[in-house]
Amino acid sequence: QQQVKQSPQSLIVQKGGISIINCAYENTAFDYFPWYQQFPGKGPALLIAIRPDVSEKKEGRFTISFNKSAKQFSLHIMDSQPGDSATYFCAASGGNAGKSTFGDGTTLTVKP
Amino acid sequence: DTAVSQTPKYLVTQMGNDKSIKCEQNLGHDTMYWYKQDSKKFLKIMFSYNNKELIINETVPNRFSPKSPDKAHLNLHINSLELGDSAVYFCASSQGSQGSQKLFFGSGTQLSVL
Repeated sequence: QQQVKQSPQSLIVQKGGISIINCAYENTAFDYFPWYQQFPGKGPALLIAIRPDVSEKKEGRFTISFNKSAKQFSLHIMDSQPGDSATYFCAASGGNAGKSTFGDGTTLTVKP
Repeated sequence: DTAVSQTPKYLVTQMGNDKSIKCEQNLGHDTMYWYKQDSKKFLKIMFSYNNKELIINETVPNRFSPKSPDKAHLNLHINSLELGDSAVYFCASSQGSQGSQKLFFGSGTQLSVL
C-alpha cells in the first residue's frame, strides 16, 4: 500500500516557466510534509517543508501548497532554471509512524 | 565538515561476497537510517536506529545486518551479495524517531554486484 503518491514521474519545463509536482497522501496522522531535492550522485536534501496548519509556504522561488481536506500537497517552482534540474521527492511523516514515507520521485528537466 | 558521511562512495564486488558500508553523523542526532534507492530512483527505508536501538526493520532479507556501535555511527553489513542488491544505499539521520522527521542524507554508496 503506497501511502504517498507523486506525479508526474517526469517533467520538462522551459527556462522561466513554472514547474508543478503533486503529491497525495492517505494517512491522516501525517503532520509534516517535506520536499527533497536530489542531484545526480548526491543524497536527497531538504528543500522546503510544510505543516498542515497552513495552506501555503513560500521560500524564494519554491512554494508548497497544502490542501488538508483533499489530502494533497504540491511543489511549485517559479521561474524555473536549468540549475533546478533534479529529482524531487515529496514525503510525509508524523504521528507514531516512526518513519518518513516517500513518493516515487519526479525527474525535472529545465531546458535553457 | 560533512554532516552525514558514508564510505565507500563506490563498491564493486562479485556475487556471494560479504561487504560493509559505514556511516557517521556529526549532527548530534539520535536516530539514523539506511535507505535503498533502486535504478528507478525509488527510496525505500530499510532500517532505523534510535540511540543504538533498532526501531524499524522493514522487509529486508536477513543477509542485511545493521550495527550501531554508538548513536553517531550506523554500519550496514551485507552477506552473500546478490545481483539484486545492486543499488545506491543512503544513510540518513534525524533528531528524534517519532513525529515530524527532517532527514539529513549522506551522499550515498553505489553498490554494483557483478
